[in-house]
Amino acid sequence: QVQLQESGPGLVKPSQTLSLTCTVSGGSVSSGSSYWSWIRQPAGRGLEWIGRIYNRESTRYNPSLKSRVTISVDTSKNQFSLNLNSVTAADTAVYYCARAGTGGDGYYFDYWGRGTLVTVSS
Amino acid sequence: QSVLTQPPSVSGAPGQRVTISCTGSSSNIGAGYGVQWYQQVPGTAPKLLIYGNTNRPSGVPDRFSGSKSGTSASLAITGLQAEDEADYYCQSYDRSLSEVFGGGTKLTVL
Repeated sequence: QVQLQESGPGLVKPSQTLSLTCTVSGGSVSSGSSYWSWIRQPAGRGLEWIGRIYNRESTRYNPSLKSRVTISVDTSKNQFSLNLNSVTAADTAVYYCARAGTGGDGYYFDYWGRGTLVTVSS
Repeated sequence: QSVLTQPPSVSGAPGQRVTISCTGSSSNIGAGYGVQWYQQVPGTAPKLLIYGNTNRPSGVPDRFSGSKSGTSASLAITGLQAEDEADYYCQSYDRSLSEVFGGGTKLTVL
């Protein structure tokens, strides 16, 4: 059973960089069959996919966030991380890390972290 | 404005059947990509209910079923129970945008 846990600051100042880490247990971030993803959800709103990393270094990002996002992996700690720079209040949301598998002609998010609230405010 | 369109809300009485629609385009659902459905109880993480249009992960009751036709998909819930009250999201892959979600549908059990 794969488990994921987000960690990082709950408050980030405008224009600074939001940095979160997801620690994975019960699975390996080096696995070629898993796509490690970040998804966010502003309060009272829907889900927005941020991006994913797979095969240790291959990445894919949401085009609307691509210029500000970096996702990386630390295999020694079995973690993957999100950096989102130049944040504004619009980036305030609950951030989830999730594992995506493939099948049925697409990707599906079968394991999720509990989520962590990040507020952008001075 | 979400790429996948869902009704904001649906409701039904206990025991009834409800359906939630998810409408996309030729760039996503209509291109043959699979549709996934998630259930989210407020304050908790989403839970995978259906993947690949019609497949249920282990542990998901068979009261939940998915279907797809053309550029749309649907989630059906039969034998509605109070515990089904939650938000439901569809998700698929888009040729230009990668992973996309619907705006979500709030299910109220009357």
